[in-house]
Amino acid sequence: DTEVTQTPKHLVMGMTNKKSLKCEQHMGHRAMYWYKQKAKKPPELMFVYSYEKLSINESVPSRFSPECPNSSLLNLHLHALQPEDSALYLCASSQDNRGNYGYTFGSGTRLTVV
Amino acid sequence: LAKTTQPISMDSYEGQEVNITCSHNNIATNDYITWYQQFPSQGPRFIIQGYKTKVTNEVASLFIPADRKSSTLSLPRVSLSDTAVYYCLVGDESGGYQKVTFGTGTKLQVIP
Repeated sequence: DTEVTQTPKHLVMGMTNKKSLKCEQHMGHRAMYWYKQKAKKPPELMFVYSYEKLSINESVPSRFSPECPNSSLLNLHLHALQPEDSALYLCASSQDNRGNYGYTFGSGTRLTVV
Repeated sequence: LAKTTQPISMDSYEGQEVNITCSHNNIATNDYITWYQQFPSQGPRFIIQGYKTKVTNEVASLFIPADRKSSTLSLPRVSLSDTAVYYCLVGDESGGYQKVTFGTGTKLQVIP
């Protein structure tokens, strides 16, 4: 299995809702990442987990809460989002936290906040 | 500061070879250079990775000069399906961990 699987593919949520994005990989990768991508812009790094520990938080607002339950799973919990948080959320993984063997990206979750 | 600099966009006719150059003046000694392709509403897809000289796989070649301050992705005989955004990535150390920051990317438009 050489894929990163993200669910759901599409999500519409209200500003008072709580929802979660899920990411799963079975490649034995020990680093996992969340990126946010707005239309016609490059992906922006949000969080890095290395060996299941949060190693980098790019000053992301607390309404985004990451969780890494085990080495194969990565969640992004969403609460009280704003319409400007609407974007494509991408999960990625790499063999180690140096990324020198490349990153494998999921196909993303298209999030719309209404 | 941007880690990488690429042309914003390029046009090419079908069947031509396309070369996209990326500048990474501050690349660290132990950084690899990786190129990704992204179609709209999809995640970036790994194309090729290299450290120095030349790397070739079934879809592309990567040329890296001795000083490693730039790299060139070469796509042979492009087709319409190669229309996409291409990103060049190098590592970026932060607090002992490495993160990857995407540059602006190059939007390649292949013309019939």
